[in-house]
Amino acid sequence: EVQLVESGGGLVRPGGSLRLACVGSGFTFSRFSMHWVRQAPGKGLEYVSGISSNGGTTYYVNSVKDRFTISRDNSKNTLYLQMGSLRTEDMAVYYCARDGRDDNGYYFNDYWGQGTLVTVSS
Amino acid sequence: EIVLTQSPATLSLSPGERATLSCRASQSPSGNLAWFQQKSGQAPRLLIYNTSHRATGIPARFSGSGSGTDFTLTISSLEPEDFAVYYCQQRAGWPITFGQGTRLEIK
Repeated sequence: EVQLVESGGGLVRPGGSLRLACVGSGFTFSRFSMHWVRQAPGKGLEYVSGISSNGGTTYYVNSVKDRFTISRDNSKNTLYLQMGSLRTEDMAVYYCARDGRDDNGYYFNDYWGQGTLVTVSS
Repeated sequence: EIVLTQSPATLSLSPGERATLSCRASQSPSGNLAWFQQKSGQAPRLLIYNTSHRATGIPARFSGSGSGTDFTLTISSLEPEDFAVYYCQQRAGWPITFGQGTRLEIK
């Protein structure tokens, strides 16, 4: 059974840092691109960042560029999101999501973790 | 950035009725459009990818269609468990973007 389990959320002051982790199991982690998506309280989904299967290519939404860093350790089946210079608008539930692919080469976010809450407040 | 606009914001229907949800893109995502369902307190669940392909395990009452910049998610006959928030997502360009969501509520 495919599972994604996030951790690392918590309360942090504006300007502070936090590192999120997402452990994958039930699949060959190193073969899949991975993503982070967030959801502010009562709001919609917002794409944050993505990373290719070998970690060689990364993507960020403009609002987090130069503040967040996505990385992965395939030996530990773990995806990370290092968040710095946190702002109140970064407060959200952060989900990790796998990039599945079908036989025709189409990509899609087929599995999601349960999310970890990041609260940014003084 | 491709902006996705979903309508209506809220849709009130009864079980057994047909639901039609719309997603309009600011530029064509070349068919690379997906739909997700999210229930309160849960992670999103993939329903449809690449406009019309149902994800594994998704009931046949869910279908996707569209082309160009206009896309539709149809639920042919609503079941009680279908009342939730639905999001469209495009993957044609970076960043990946989502629509603002349509809340499907029981009338």
